[in-house]
Amino acid sequence: GAGVSQSPSNKVTEKGKDVELRCDPISGHTALYWYRQSLGQGLEFLIYFQGNSAPDKSGLPSDRFSAERTGGSVSTLTIQRTQQEDSAVYLCASSLAQAGMGEQYFGPGTRLTVT
Amino acid sequence: GESVGLHLPTLSVQEGDNSIINCAYSNSASDYFIWYKQESGKGPQFIIDIRSNMDKRQGQRVTVLLNKTVKHLSLQIAATQPGDSAVYFCALGGYLDNYGQNFVFGPGTRLSVLP
Repeated sequence: GAGVSQSPSNKVTEKGKDVELRCDPISGHTALYWYRQSLGQGLEFLIYFQGNSAPDKSGLPSDRFSAERTGGSVSTLTIQRTQQEDSAVYLCASSLAQAGMGEQYFGPGTRLTVT
Repeated sequence: GESVGLHLPTLSVQEGDNSIINCAYSNSASDYFIWYKQESGKGPQFIIDIRSNMDKRQGQRVTVLLNKTVKHLSLQIAATQPGDSAVYFCALGGYLDNYGQNFVFGPGTRLSVLP
């Protein structure tokens, strides 16, 4: 079956521009996560959605970052006024289980490069 | 806050040998632990998980050991194969902080399988 998909796969943008990253989770998965992975580093938690509940935004690094999830399915991560330190791979994952438990299925990621 | 660390950033093993990847953590509130494998250019892939009420769990060629006393987690891969070459992440789940449910990932260990 279809897994988690993300678009675009690569994005190059100029410093100061806004970018929008998209995640399509596995159908029926209620939990959705966004992570950031810098080169050679582990995964940094950004934000978590569980169904229609208010998201856990505790991992967002600054107010330039925001995310929404429409209809409990597709999610978009928006970065405003991008900075060079925002360059990383942004990974989305979805899960059937409640947060903090259960297998997460990851998408291939969006590689963001801010020049 | 919680932290997850790895004893070795890289590990090289001969094909056919057993591999052991270690992970130390500091948050004793975590009650769920996961190992992920990440191949180059791909998102992490679930390998095996373990709940805090267990100290050992076996999968196909993989075994996860949990020592809650010393807050240590390990992944053992039997008869390591070239396809096992990847970065391996441990992750803590469960109720980690005041924000509720979350996952924390370690920085990863790169496993290289030598012919």
